[in-house]
Amino acid sequence: AQSVTQLDSHVSVSEGTPVLLRCNYSSSYSPSLFWYVQHPNKGLQLLLKYTSAATLVKGINGFEAEFKKSETSFHLTKPSAHMSDAAEYFCVVNNDMRFGAGTRLTVKP
Amino acid sequence: EPEVTQTPSHQVTQMGQEVILRCVPISNHLYFYWYRQILGQKVEFLVSFYNNEISEKSEIFDDQFSVERPDGSNFTLKIRSTKLEDSAMYFCASRVRRQSNSPLHFGNGTRLTVT
Repeated sequence: AQSVTQLDSHVSVSEGTPVLLRCNYSSSYSPSLFWYVQHPNKGLQLLLKYTSAATLVKGINGFEAEFKKSETSFHLTKPSAHMSDAAEYFCVVNNDMRFGAGTRLTVKP
Repeated sequence: EPEVTQTPSHQVTQMGQEVILRCVPISNHLYFYWYRQILGQKVEFLVSFYNNEISEKSEIFDDQFSVERPDGSNFTLKIRSTKLEDSAMYFCASRVRRQSNSPLHFGNGTRLTVT
């Protein structure tokens, strides 16, 4: 069985500061992992995916995520937050495509 | 870029009424999904569909729900007798194949309000 745990339900940062959204997974085999973003009153957009190639994955809008097998983590980062990054972020594992609980990112001016 | 389209964007219905939510997946995609998101809560898997059959369904997807691919393009979710707690955003998604490196492509959702 596979599952994801998003460790923070809400993260608040100031504009221009780094973003870290945490995701831990459990999987009995090498997983594929995805991050999706949902802006207010919008649909779900793929940010990036890990599929056993490079462990550091770059996505859209300056986001990236690093797959760490030893820590069973796939945390999402961005060096400098922008106001437009305010949204809900979801981590998803593998074929069953179950979503994590989500992390709401707030960006303060 | 091809998109998943959902209609209507907002549906208001009375409790006990039947409702059909419609989706047009991306044309070369083979796997189709419905998800639900109650306001302020997580995105919940409802059902997956392949080759005109349900592949997998969650405990939420009870006898009140059904899915259908009536023609070569549409993928529908029917709720037979709506309840207040069915009020939510419903997202349709499709993917090219079921292999783990194939991401889901989502529509913009249908907001269902049951009064």
